[in-house]
Amino acid sequence: AQKITQTQPGMFVQEKEAVTLDCTYDTSDPSYGLFWYKQPSSGEMIFLIYQGSYDQQNATEGRYSLNFQKARKSANLVISASQLGDSAMYFCAMNTGNQFYFGTGTSLTVIP
Amino acid sequence: GAGVSQSPSNKVTEKGKDVELRCDPISGHTALYWYRQSLGQGLEFLIYFQGNSAPDKSGLPSDRFSAERTGGSVSTLTIQRTQQEDSAVYLCASSLGRLAGGSSTDTQYFGPGTRLTVL
Repeated sequence: AQKITQTQPGMFVQEKEAVTLDCTYDTSDPSYGLFWYKQPSSGEMIFLIYQGSYDQQNATEGRYSLNFQKARKSANLVISASQLGDSAMYFCAMNTGNQFYFGTGTSLTVIP
Repeated sequence: GAGVSQSPSNKVTEKGKDVELRCDPISGHTALYWYRQSLGQGLEFLIYFQGNSAPDKSGLPSDRFSAERTGGSVSTLTIQRTQQEDSAVYLCASSLGRLAGGSSTDTQYFGPGTRLTVL
C-alpha cells in the first residue's frame, strides 16, 4: 500500500497567486515526520519544510506553509505569492520507524 | 562547502563496465542514504547507513549493486557489469540523526546527484 499519495501530477498557478499541493499519508505509528522537497530542473532535491506528528502548530518557512490535518492524514504544502522560480517538481515524504517514503511528485508550473 | 557533495556529476560508461559513485555527507551527519531516480520518476531507495550499524540494503535492485561507507563518512556506491537499465540519476542524502520518526533530525539533505548513462 502506498504510504504517501500525491494525486496531482501537474499544477499551474499564476505568478503572485497562492497554490496548494496535496499530500496524504498512511501510517499507524503515532510518531512520524512529514517533509516537502523541491526539485527544480537542475535535479537537486531541496528541503523545504518539516512537520512532526506531535507538533501542534502548522509549520511555516517563509512563503511555504504545511497545512497539517492529522485526522485526515493530510500534509498539504501551501506556497504563497508564487514566483517563476517556484516552477519545479515537489515531493512529499514521510519517515516513520526506520523507513522513509516519498510520493510520486507534483509538477508545478508558474505562469507569468 | 557545507552541503552534501557527489562525484562525478556525470558518468558515461559502456555496458558491462563497473562504475563507482562517491558521496561526501555533511560533516557530523550520522546517517547516509542512496537513491536512484530514473527520468521523470520518483525516488527509489537503495541503501541506508547509520553510524557503525549494519546498513539497510533492502532497496538494492540486484547483487551487482553494493555500497560501503568508510569511517562513518564518505560512501561509495559500486555498480558492477552495468546494464542500460542502470541509467539514472543517483542521489545521495545525509541526515543528522538516525531514522526514528517524528524528529527533525531525520531531515535528509541531498547532494546534486550523479547522472549515469550506460551505452
